[in-house]
Amino acid sequence: AAGVIQSPRHLIKEKRETATLKCYPIPRHDTVYWYQQGPGQDPQFLISFYEKMQSDKGSIPDRFSAQQFSDYHSELNMSSLELGDSALYFCASSPGTGGIGDEQFFGPGTRLTVL
Amino acid sequence: KQEVTQIPAALSVPEGENLVLNCSFTDSAIYNLQWFRQDPGKGLTSLLLIQSSQREQTSGRLNASLDKSSGRSTLYIAASQPGDSATYLCAALTDSWGKLQFGAGTQVVVTP
Repeated sequence: AAGVIQSPRHLIKEKRETATLKCYPIPRHDTVYWYQQGPGQDPQFLISFYEKMQSDKGSIPDRFSAQQFSDYHSELNMSSLELGDSALYFCASSPGTGGIGDEQFFGPGTRLTVL
Repeated sequence: KQEVTQIPAALSVPEGENLVLNCSFTDSAIYNLQWFRQDPGKGLTSLLLIQSSQREQTSGRLNASLDKSSGRSTLYIAASQPGDSATYLCAALTDSWGKLQFGAGTQVVVTP
C-alpha cells in the first residue's frame, strides 16, 4: 500500500540557511500535518492543511512557512535556521478533514541537522 | 490544554511475557486515541486507533482499551517478542482539525 513520502530523508544545513522539506500524502488523502520531534522528545504539532487551506497552527516559528499545493503535496519552508531547529520532521496525512475519527498516517520523517 | 502522560518511561520484560503500556490524558473530550510504534530514529507506525465511542480495539497480539471517564488508555501486547522492542507512543485527538497531542512514550525492551 502507498505510504506518505517525505524528501529529503536527511538534510544538513548551516546556521542562517534555508531548508525546504517536502511531503507527498497517501493518494486521495486531502489533509496534511507537520510535526517536529526534537531529540528525546515527543512529536509537536506545527501546522496542518485541508484542501490546500491552512486548517490549524501549532507552535510553529514565524521563520517557518508551509503550504499545500493543488496536487495535495505540501512543503515546509524554514528560514534563518538555528541550531535548535535540528530535529526529525514528520508529515502525516489523513483522508478527511482530520476531525472526527480520521487516522493519521505518518511518513518516515526528514532528519534536519543544523550545524 | 490537553496533557498526555505515559508511565513508565521505560520497561524491560523477558520474551513471552505480556506487555501493559499505560496512557493517561487530562481532558476527556477527545475524538480518538492512536497508539504508535517508533523504532530508534525512524518514523511513526500507527498500531491502533480507538474512536471516542469505542471501548477497545484489537489487532493480532495487540489490544487497546479506552476509558474516557477516567482519562486512560491501555495497550496490551500479548506474548512479547524481541521484535516488539521499540518506543510506543499514544496520541489523543482533541480538536476538530486533527492536531494530535502525544505522550512522551514508553521505551520497551524485550529480552530473548
